[in-house]
Amino acid sequence: DAGVIQSPRHEVTEMGQEVTLRCKPISGHDYLFWYRQTMMRGLELLIYFNNNVPIDDSGMPEDRFSAKMPNASFSTLKIQPSEPRDSAVYFCASRLGQVISGNTIYFGEGSWLTVV
Amino acid sequence: AQKVTQAQTEISVVEKEDVTLDCVYETRDTTYYLFWYKQPPSGELVFLIRRNSFDEQNEISGRYSWNFQKSTSSFNFTITASQVVDSAVYFCALSEPYTGTASKLTFGTGTRLQVTL
Repeated sequence: DAGVIQSPRHEVTEMGQEVTLRCKPISGHDYLFWYRQTMMRGLELLIYFNNNVPIDDSGMPEDRFSAKMPNASFSTLKIQPSEPRDSAVYFCASRLGQVISGNTIYFGEGSWLTVV
Repeated sequence: AQKVTQAQTEISVVEKEDVTLDCVYETRDTTYYLFWYKQPPSGELVFLIRRNSFDEQNEISGRYSWNFQKSTSSFNFTITASQVVDSAVYFCALSEPYTGTASKLTFGTGTRLQVTL
């Protein structure tokens, strides 16, 4: 089975530019998560969706960040305008939201963002 | 509030040595899951194991074993006869109560394991 698929794997952009990260969750999973990993803050949850609906976006750092999930198989995380401090690895993850599944979250390979 | 502590920032061992990675957690909840993830140098996060808060049985999977002790709020991970391919950063994580949405994972800061020849 295909895992969580993220694109791009690596992105280098100039400060002020718009960045869009994309994610395709595991088929059938009804929860989708966006995490960010930095040296300073470790892994932190930005936002998560259930059945395409944003449930908790309290981790989104500021208004420059937005996330959408137009359908069950696709989500985007957008940063506009980007700043150097946004440089991080952004992970998308998904989960089948049944207790019997043990709530295991499966991660994509990450999108490595560098803002210069 | 939930918290996961991985006090060992970095561990270096010689191949074939056994190594234990410590994880201590804090939660007021009685129903939760604990996880271990591996992040190899290539960067992806790989799921290793999940443990239910009511299941304190130790688990062994090949060279990997996990010791969950609720009394000490610890969920330690042991690699027996370590190999160079085990070199990675290992994260311990704690979920919200699974009687709710159980959606948030709180991660520890990770332990970097370096296995040398």
